[in-house]
Amino acid sequence: ELKVEQNPLFLSMQEGKNYTIYCNYSTTSDRLYWYRQDPGKSLESLFVLLSNGAVKQEGRLMASLDTKARLSTLHITAAVHDLSATYFCAVDLEYGNKLVFGAGTILRVKS
Amino acid sequence: DVKVTQSSRYLVKRTGEKVFLECVQDMDHENMFWYRQDPGLGLRLIYFSYDVKMKEKGDIPEGYSVSREKKERFSLILESASTNQTSMYLCASSFYGELFFGEGSRLTVL
Repeated sequence: ELKVEQNPLFLSMQEGKNYTIYCNYSTTSDRLYWYRQDPGKSLESLFVLLSNGAVKQEGRLMASLDTKARLSTLHITAAVHDLSATYFCAVDLEYGNKLVFGAGTILRVKS
Repeated sequence: DVKVTQSSRYLVKRTGEKVFLECVQDMDHENMFWYRQDPGLGLRLIYFSYDVKMKEKGDIPEGYSVSREKKERFSLILESASTNQTSMYLCASSFYGELFFGEGSRLTVL
């Protein structure tokens, strides 16, 4: 059974600081997604990583995928309050037919 | 923009009632999904459908059924709601693996 583990599960950080969220998974996959969820809202797609070594960047967020290590990272650079949300990684087992989600990382950026 | 619409944002039902959650997508996507979201557990797949009238069980199908009579519509049915089905339910459709979610339906079963 695939396990997807995110850490940390809760992250409180100061504005302007850098930090990384980790997503480890237990079986072979070369497709991984990152989603953002604001309180009371649905999930919004952030990044789609489709091969080993894939790196995607959008604003202050950068995601990468190492399929050999079964690890994806979401790096936050110079955090701002607007990045406060819950971030989920999801591993794709069947080309879109079966995504397994991590438990989510609650990020709070303090002014 | 992809739009996935869930008919009810908030529902309160009593134990034993039959509950229908409706989901409609407007992008002609083949695949549609129902997830359940609970704090600390992430999202768990209940059922998915890859075509009209086709369905596959996800990780937690017990107590649920689904219906896909038209490509754009995927319904989740709780035949006899129980208190442990109190949760947020998220519908999604997908394009080449990327999921597009609806706003969610928060169900409380008393």
